[in-house]
Amino acid sequence: DGGITQSPKYLFRKEGQNVTLSCEQNLNHDAMYWYRQDPGQGLRLIYYSQIVNDFQKGDIAEGYSVSREKKESFPLTVTSAQKNPTAFYLCASSDPKRTVNTEAFFGQGTRLTVV
Amino acid sequence: GENVEQHPSTLSVQEGDSAVIKCTYSDSASNYFPWYKQELGKRPQLIIDIRSNVGEKKDQRIAVTLNKTAKHFSLHITETQPEDSAVYFCAASKRGKLIFGQGTTLQVKP
Repeated sequence: DGGITQSPKYLFRKEGQNVTLSCEQNLNHDAMYWYRQDPGQGLRLIYYSQIVNDFQKGDIAEGYSVSREKKESFPLTVTSAQKNPTAFYLCASSDPKRTVNTEAFFGQGTRLTVV
Repeated sequence: GENVEQHPSTLSVQEGDSAVIKCTYSDSASNYFPWYKQELGKRPQLIIDIRSNVGEKKDQRIAVTLNKTAKHFSLHITETQPEDSAVYFCAASKRGKLIFGQGTTLQVKP
């Protein structure tokens, strides 16, 4: 499945709880991304990381946190500070060093619902 | 910051007609422009891409054009088929950071 795996596929969270979404890739890609997808709003960048132990905020980072301790892993924590967390979350990876292209490969996504 | 605008948000065509989706980007340093197709309930997948040193690229029924001066690029699908129905996203990339447009829902009517 493209070498990038997200888990779980569905996640339910009670208000006030933090939850962590997993993203693992075996493509040896340096760059990893987290996007949030809402109807009619496309894919909005939450955080991205171009190398281990480094990451940058995207356009909608408030209420989210990430870590990049290993090249293969880029977990996303949705904190209680995120006011409207119900959404579809997509993780992606790419290899910016390649000269041919920087195609991003996506995971299957995690649908988070606040109950 | 970087921004990518995509139009139209929805597009309906008859089978066999052509479809055109347009995007503009704000950061002139962007150098890679991919297009992704997302079918219902599935992950986005790359269908075609273009780099900033190329003006046009074709792959069978799909083509992409890039105008760096105007900072816009377009996706052209000819001879549309019902299986082309999906959401299409454009994106602009600079040094690995990938910013997407809002998406276009394409419906191809048989």
